[in-house]
Amino acid sequence: EVQLVQSGAEVKKPGESVKMSCKGSGYSFTSYWIGWVRQMPGKGLEWMGIIYPGDSDTRYSPSFQGQVTISADKSISTAYLQWSSLKASDTAMYYCARQGGFGESWYGMDVWGQGTTVTVSS
Amino acid sequence: DIQMTQSPSSLSASVGDRVTITCRASQSISSYLNWYQQKPGKAPKLLIYAASSLLSGVPSRFSGSGSGTDFTLTISSLQPEDFATYYCQQSYSTPQTFGQGTKLEIK
Repeated sequence: EVQLVQSGAEVKKPGESVKMSCKGSGYSFTSYWIGWVRQMPGKGLEWMGIIYPGDSDTRYSPSFQGQVTISADKSISTAYLQWSSLKASDTAMYYCARQGGFGESWYGMDVWGQGTTVTVSS
Repeated sequence: DIQMTQSPSSLSASVGDRVTITCRASQSISSYLNWYQQKPGKAPKLLIYAASSLLSGVPSRFSGSGSGTDFTLTISSLQPEDFATYYCQQSYSTPQTFGQGTKLEIK
């Protein structure tokens, strides 16, 4: 079965760091992109960025560039999303999703993780 | 960035109705348009990719059309399990962007 399994919920204080994970299984992890999507409480979906684990090619949305770091360890089929200094406004659900690519365009996000909630509160 | 505008933002309909949701891109995205369904507390699910290709396992009452800047998602006969929020997404270029969503509610 093709699946992405995300790490558990995080509760943090402003200024703290966090690194969440997304582990792929059931497919060739290095042959698909992994994208990250934010959903703030009661709001829509926001595309954050994407990484190709095969060569770590990474693209960020300008809205998130410099705010988060996306990385991957292909040896353990895991992608990561991390913050060095959280803000209350980072409170949200974060999803990872698999996406096929073709040149500089991509197909749909066909497999999603279950989501990781991050709560940032003093 | 390419802006994606969905309409309507919300929609009330009855079981058996035919429903159409539209999505407009601020510039041409060829056919790199995807549709997702999201139910409360759940991750989104891909329904249609490349504007009109139905993902395997998705009921045939869902269909998509369009190219360039204007796209539609049609549900031919609403079922109780279809009441959810629907999002379009352009995957033509980065940053990829989502529409604001259309909440489909029971009338």
